[in-house]
Amino acid sequence: GAVVSQHPSWVICKSGTSVKIECRSLDFQATTMFWYRQFPKQSLMLMATSNEGSKATYEQGVEKDKFLINHASLTLSTLTVTSAHPEDSSFYICSTRFAGETQYFGPGTRLLVL
Amino acid sequence: GIQVEQSPPDLILQEGANSTLRCNFSDSVNNLQWFHQNPWGQLINLFYIPSGTKQNGRLSATTVATERYSLLYISSSQTTDSGVYFCAVRSPGGGADGLTFGKGTHLIIQP
Repeated sequence: GAVVSQHPSWVICKSGTSVKIECRSLDFQATTMFWYRQFPKQSLMLMATSNEGSKATYEQGVEKDKFLINHASLTLSTLTVTSAHPEDSSFYICSTRFAGETQYFGPGTRLLVL
Repeated sequence: GIQVEQSPPDLILQEGANSTLRCNFSDSVNNLQWFHQNPWGQLINLFYIPSGTKQNGRLSATTVATERYSLLYISSSQTTDSGVYFCAVRSPGGGADGLTFGKGTHLIIQP
């Protein structure tokens, strides 16, 4: 399977600040990565599809100006939560697609906005 | 978009018991994966199974694509099997490239 890392694991920030989360594919080149969000006691929801060298595709209801995605290389995608507010507090998880359809997930980043 | 329903939502069993988790989906799929989310939030891949049957140790899974459901079997449960089990699918005509998750089954294995 594929190995995916995320950094940071935890982040606490003040309301109004921006936070960048990195997702790395450690053992293969990923042209496509995905970003999901999970609120407590809920399921994962797809936020956006990140494509290397092109603009991300956002799911309905996800503000592209608030959640900036950059996929500048085949091993790194970043999600920046701009002007974060308490309602953005969540568990953010990225994934890559390896060997066809199978998706492998990173360990996630917990964001707490005070 | 495609709908995914998992049952039961909660399941409490004694160590050593067997369990069956179900996933129903509303459209044809070209990807169906089962995951176990551990207490730290990490999603652990269990099976990639858009059709057919697979087994891995005490776990096995069956997907009947024509009837739009998948089953995950856990035999001889251990306390370490506790956690949330998610079924996630992708429909070829669904538009989104990512996975649509069910709400999960929260499994508690008591010693």
